[in-house]
Amino acid sequence: QKEVEQNSGPLSVPEGAIASLNCTYSDRGSQSFFWYRQYSGKSPELIMFIYSNGDKEDGRFTAQLNKASQYVSLLIRDSQPSDSATYLCAVKTSGGSYIPTFGRGTSLIVHP
Amino acid sequence: DTEVTQTPKHLVMGMTNKKSLKCEQHMGHRAMYWYKQKAKKPPELMFVYSYEKLSINESVPSRFSPECPNSSLLNLHLHALQPEDSALYLCASSQGWSGGAAETQYFGPGTRLLVL
Repeated sequence: QKEVEQNSGPLSVPEGAIASLNCTYSDRGSQSFFWYRQYSGKSPELIMFIYSNGDKEDGRFTAQLNKASQYVSLLIRDSQPSDSATYLCAVKTSGGSYIPTFGRGTSLIVHP
Repeated sequence: DTEVTQTPKHLVMGMTNKKSLKCEQHMGHRAMYWYKQKAKKPPELMFVYSYEKLSINESVPSRFSPECPNSSLLNLHLHALQPEDSALYLCASSQGWSGGAAETQYFGPGTRLLVL
């Protein structure tokens, strides 16, 4: 069973702080990693994808991938109340299927 | 443009009704997906079409019937649904199966379905 684990939260951070969201996965052969943001009642919106070990930055968002430790994280700098949402981690595992496995999501609350 | 559209936005139906959900993308993507999502749960894969052929059916009950009329359209036909089928139904597309950035899925806004 290929698993993707996220802490369901909620993770509460003050406005302006750094929010750190973590995701671990069980399949060592996983190759592609995605972060989606989902507001309540809305569909998932792609924030970032990462394939290589290390950091990838896009604006206030940084994805960090460590394949040896089998985790991927998302850092949100200067958090805003509008960042309050559920963040889904999705992992494309090895093998014939190119379908991502989704984690349960972490609820983030940014309070003023 | 990374837009996937879905209609209707909301749907209320009785258990004896027949209805259809529609999904459309004009990004030239060759893979299209149907997901079901319940509150506070991750999206749950239902069907995958690749190059207009059904590639994956995740043991979905026959009351859900997918159809891919062409490379831009994906339908989900609904018949004799149960109240527990009430959920957000999401369509997604991706460029294909070639790996790398092409694997990225883009989601439509979803159809909120309520079965009475």
